[in-house]
Amino acid sequence: GQSLEQPSEVTAVEGAIVQINCTYQTSGFYGLSWYQQHDGGAPTFLSYNALDGLEETGRFSSFLSRSDSYGYLLLQELQMKDSASYFCAVSGDSWGKLQFGAGTQVVVTP
Amino acid sequence: GAGVSQTPSNKVTEKGKYVELRCDPISGHTALYWYRQSLGQGPEFLIYFQGTGAADDSGLPNDRFFAVRPEGSVSTLKIQRTERGDSAVYLCASSRGLDGDTQYFGPGTRLTVL
Repeated sequence: GQSLEQPSEVTAVEGAIVQINCTYQTSGFYGLSWYQQHDGGAPTFLSYNALDGLEETGRFSSFLSRSDSYGYLLLQELQMKDSASYFCAVSGDSWGKLQFGAGTQVVVTP
Repeated sequence: GAGVSQTPSNKVTEKGKYVELRCDPISGHTALYWYRQSLGQGPEFLIYFQGTGAADDSGLPNDRFFAVRPEGSVSTLKIQRTERGDSAVYLCASSRGLDGDTQYFGPGTRLTVL
């Protein structure tokens, strides 16, 4: 079957670093994306990895290892506004079809 | 408008009724996607269009669900004989239509089937 696994919840204090892991099992693979969603809001794009390695965008970085079917999102210098759900998503069967994980709730405390 | 818009924002209907959900993508975006999201879950893919044609409709759960995009811009998701299990937030997204392209999501339509 096809599946994506990520932790359900992570709690950290302001200023800390959080790593959200994602392992996937899909029939095909075009790339791994990360989305952020605040309560009641729309998912917003954070990053995309098609090739192995690290992509850095400001305080957020994303890593992919295709051989391990594994990726992670790294959130640095955590801020209160980073409290949200974070989803990994794989485009596998076709490039436009995103399969999302169940999401990781990140709770940032003062 | 600058972003993806969806109407209505909320829809309450009775079991067995027909509903239509509308999506206006970002101007110039050739690809349009429909997902649905239940509470505490990630978005679940339904269908995506490249231009006017459905490029992948493998996520439509059954033949009660149908989507169109006749002119390659606005899309309508149609659900016949609604069931309580259809209750969810229906999300629409659009992109330029390239591999790996960012999908920009709309605010969603919250569908409640009583």
